[in-house]
Amino acid sequence: AQSVSQHNHHVILSEAASLELGCNYSYGGTVNLFWYVQYPGQHLQLLLKYFSGDPLVKGIKGFEAEFIKSKFSFNLRKPSVQWSDTAEYFCAVNASGGYQKVTFGIGTKLQVIP
Amino acid sequence: DTAVSQTPKYLVTQMGNDKSIKCEQNLGHDTMYWYKQDSKKFLKIMFSYNNKELIINETVPNRFSPKSPDKAHLNLHINSLELGDSAVYFCASSRQGGNEQYFGPGTRLTVT
Repeated sequence: AQSVSQHNHHVILSEAASLELGCNYSYGGTVNLFWYVQYPGQHLQLLLKYFSGDPLVKGIKGFEAEFIKSKFSFNLRKPSVQWSDTAEYFCAVNASGGYQKVTFGIGTKLQVIP
Repeated sequence: DTAVSQTPKYLVTQMGNDKSIKCEQNLGHDTMYWYKQDSKKFLKIMFSYNNKELIINETVPNRFSPKSPDKAHLNLHINSLELGDSAVYFCASSRQGGNEQYFGPGTRLTVT
């Protein structure tokens, strides 16, 4: 079974600071990787996903993530955060192929100070 | 147009009661899910259905029973509610299992 670790549980940044949220997964086979965002009081929305191909994936709102297979990592980055990026960020993974359940990380709460 | 909708949005009830949460998706997806998000925001899958067939059933008490009358609907019935059932329940759907998921707005269940 796969598992996901998000190392930063609560991150506080000033506007315009750069962001990197760590995500590591544990699974021996081929995986699909996701980052979801949950704004306060709202439902989860997909930020970006990796299935195959270029390990550097770009998502909405200026976010990107890099899949490093050797490190089992899929860190989320943004060069300059805005106050509106304040939200909870979830990394998720599932095994490729068939009906494989998606396992979510515990989430990282990002607070951006104006 | 709401892609994945859930009703009700809020549900406050007493211990021992039975309640249902409804979910509908208009995306034409084949797979639907129920997740429980606890007070620490941890999101855990409960059930997954593909074309009305149960494909994932995590370790969930028998008091929770999903029902899928058609592939656009996945309802969740909970019997004999307990304090520990208090959480936000999210419905989601995807084109097929393992693909990106579209989440509903959530149902905040409070058991008193």
